[in-house]
Amino acid sequence: GENVEQHPSTLSVQEGDSAVIKCTYSDSASNYFPWYKQELGKGPQLIIDIRSNVGEKKDQRIAVTLNKTAKHFSLHITETQPEDSAVYFCAASFSDSGYSTLTFGKGTMLLVSP
Amino acid sequence: DAGVIQSPRHEVTEMGQEVTLRCKPISGHDYLFWYRQTMMRGLELLIYFNNNVPIDDSGMPEDRFSAKMPNASFSTLKIQPSEPRDSAVYFCASSLAHGGVGEQYFGPGTRLTVT
Repeated sequence: GENVEQHPSTLSVQEGDSAVIKCTYSDSASNYFPWYKQELGKGPQLIIDIRSNVGEKKDQRIAVTLNKTAKHFSLHITETQPEDSAVYFCAASFSDSGYSTLTFGKGTMLLVSP
Repeated sequence: DAGVIQSPRHEVTEMGQEVTLRCKPISGHDYLFWYRQTMMRGLELLIYFNNNVPIDDSGMPEDRFSAKMPNASFSTLKIQPSEPRDSAVYFCASSLAHGGVGEQYFGPGTRLTVT
């Protein structure tokens, strides 16, 4: 089955700095890679996703890049703000006409200091 | 829509007791998932349903765990008997999938403590 490794497990940055979280996956057939943000006391929430026919996707201060050859993908947050502090999870899945479940990484706790 | 609703939000019970966690998915969603989250193991998929039918329960840790979905708006996860190692946050999520995996919407979770 799929295995997703996520690094680092914790990340501390100053407000305004950039943050990068990296994930690797094992199943070369995986083609869907979402990122979820979990705030304290809440469930994870999708913030951005990318499919394997795209190398990069941006949404305001958040971007995700995908390297299929190396089987890794990354989340980039620019101009970090204290409200970005949360646990971030990457996930991988194979998506075609049938349903395929998500395999999550262990998570990265991001702390943005004012 | 109110989102995915879970109850209770917190549950403290003694070892050996039966525990029932409840979930109401988002109306119209056809997939429902139960996850367990711990520091050591992260987010683990326990079981998921499609149109109220269990599709994959390979993540259920042992026979003490069972899940049901009697209708499209309600699901339960039961642990009987509970053990201290079952202490975790349990999430329910729902999804509407078109041609493959779709965004999963998570509930707020139930924090279970077994003493």
